[in-house]
Parts: sequence; structure tokens; C-alpha cells
Amino acid sequence: DSGVTQTPKHLITATGQRVTLRCSPRSGDLSVYWYQQSLDQGLQFLIQYYNGEERAKGNILERFSAQQFPDLHSELNLSSLELGDSALYFCASSATGGNEKLFFGSGTQLSVL
Amino acid sequence: GESVGLHLPTLSVQEGDNSIINCAYSNSASDYFIWYKQESGKGPQFIIDIRSNMDKRQGQRVTVLLNKTVKHLSLQIAATQPGDSAVYFCAENYGGATNKLIFGTGTLLAVQP
Repeated sequence: DSGVTQTPKHLITATGQRVTLRCSPRSGDLSVYWYQQSLDQGLQFLIQYYNGEERAKGNILERFSAQQFPDLHSELNLSSLELGDSALYFCASSATGGNEKLFFGSGTQLSVL
Repeated sequence: GESVGLHLPTLSVQEGDNSIINCAYSNSASDYFIWYKQESGKGPQFIIDIRSNMDKRQGQRVTVLLNKTVKHLSLQIAATQPGDSAVYFCAENYGGATNKLIFGTGTLLAVQP
């Protein structure tokens, strides 16, 4: 168990809908990351937060947004969902947000029908 | 219809043999590298990391080698066990002050009993 908690584990929704994925980092970790894993794209970095502030941005669509709250948990909001958004979404955390290893949660499997 | 997915390189080894998984990274400025193991249905799990000021690092049954001249990383697993069967990813850190880990496409390690 990595100590990173993601909910829900599975989510099934329809095109055009909006969903929220939730992540609690490991105790003491200040930085949270979101990754998308799909069959045709592999593991893609979406965004990083450190202590509530956005620190780095990757291939995150404008339809997607994230935030990190004062208690350090994070949410990833996906809106106007398309079939191609179906993927595994992973949250990871690290202690300081610098050059260090990430600890990953078990992921949320999103299926858009 | 036909499904499209990443074609993962596969390494098939006999139980007890040593395994070597290779990775070519893309950015000569990357200064931190990590190997992750991902079992089916789980999030990536940290195995070992190495910084660019080193060319070799050993862990328990695993060794990572870094060749910066040719931008190559390898993971050696000694006495491979059935529990080592998984997809292995290398990741590089482009970012310096951020921790934007970029993952490779992965290698499937299949251990034959």
C-alpha cells in the first residue's frame, strides 16, 4: 500500500457529463500529481500541485481542471466528457515536489459510454 | 472492432535467470531517473532511482545502470521470480525545480516457471 488513496475506483458515465476524481496524498507529502494512462498513450503527466499551488502542467485538456485544497487532498474535474477520455487516472504524491520519487495510488478507472 | 493499443516490448525469461530491461530516454538535460513496476490493476510501484551524477545504483536484487553518453538506462533483476512479472517503466525528470516525470512506454516482463 503506497499510502495514496484515490476514490472512486471505478466510474462509468456518459458523454457530455462531468465527473470529479479525488485523491488523498501520503501523510506528510505536500505535492500531488495527476497522470492519465490509456491504451494508446501510456502514462501521461497532467498536472502537479505543491501545497495548494499549481507547479507544473503537462498534457492537460482545457476541459480538465484540478485543485489542491488546504488539507492537501486534490480533485481532478473532467467535464464535457468524450469517449476518448476513458482511461485510468492516477494520483501520486511526493514529499517536497522536487526531484524525488512519486508514490502512486491505485487509480480511478473511468469509462465514458 | 479492432482495438488499438501500445505495442509493449516483451521480455520473457525463465524463473531464476537474470533479467535486463532497457530504456532510452529523450532529454539529455534530465537529471533524475526512476524505474517503476506496474502489476495488472494496480498503480506504478517505485523500484529504484538514480541521479545523473551516478552511473550505477544497487538495491535488493535490482541494479540500475545509467549511460548518459547514449541516453540509456537499464534495470537488472537478479534471480527473477514469478512475482516479478509486470510492466516496467522508466521515467525521467525534465524539470529541475518541478517534478515532471515523463514515462517511457514500458516493457512487459513475463517470467516462465
